[in-house]
Amino acid sequence: DGGITQSPKYLFRKEGQNVTLSCEQNLNHDAMYWYRQDPGQGLRLIYYSQIVNDFQKGDIAEGYSVSREKKESFPLTVTSAQKNPTAFYLCASSDPTGTEQFFGPGTRLTVL
Amino acid sequence: GEDVEQSLFLSVREGDSSVINCTYTDSSSTYLYWYKQEPGAGLQLLTYIFSNMDMKQDQRLTVLLNKKDKHLSLRIADTQTGDSAIYFCAESIPRNAGNMLTFGGGTRLMVKP
Repeated sequence: DGGITQSPKYLFRKEGQNVTLSCEQNLNHDAMYWYRQDPGQGLRLIYYSQIVNDFQKGDIAEGYSVSREKKESFPLTVTSAQKNPTAFYLCASSDPTGTEQFFGPGTRLTVL
Repeated sequence: GEDVEQSLFLSVREGDSSVINCTYTDSSSTYLYWYKQEPGAGLQLLTYIFSNMDMKQDQRLTVLLNKKDKHLSLRIADTQTGDSAIYFCAESIPRNAGNMLTFGGGTRLMVKP
């Protein structure tokens, strides 16, 4: 089955710890994206990558980092510099034009 | 600037039609989208419309676009309880070599039996 997987579904971390969220896709998409969703709000773009070994900051990149060493994988690290990291994180992928973005099931991060 | 607005909540009875509305501000939008999100899940792409179209119909879904007023709507015919979810409107803006999505805050649709 083609799709996007995110793991884990729920993640708990102590304040001050870095944490890495996984995103994998087997859709052969060049472009991948990370969004953050807060309760009752829409999605905000954290980082995006249009091709392997390249990525760009989105609208709320501060306190986050990414890598894109493989086409299939786009991990997101939430660093201790992120002031309010508790949120629902969604990964997406698309063809290079970005016309249709397909989303993974999300990871809910709670920082205690 | 980019801004997409939606009403927060809509309640309908099963079998009725639902109409979810959205307004956007960026006239350079290339596509406009409707996504559905069920509790605790990711977003499911329902449908999208190219910005030079007025209407698109896909089974029970009808999308209407008024580009002059920057108004987008999603009509769901014969609404079912399984349609209860949050619906997000999004516009696609050219950025670098691709298109980036800007999302509205979502409309929670509740379908009463």
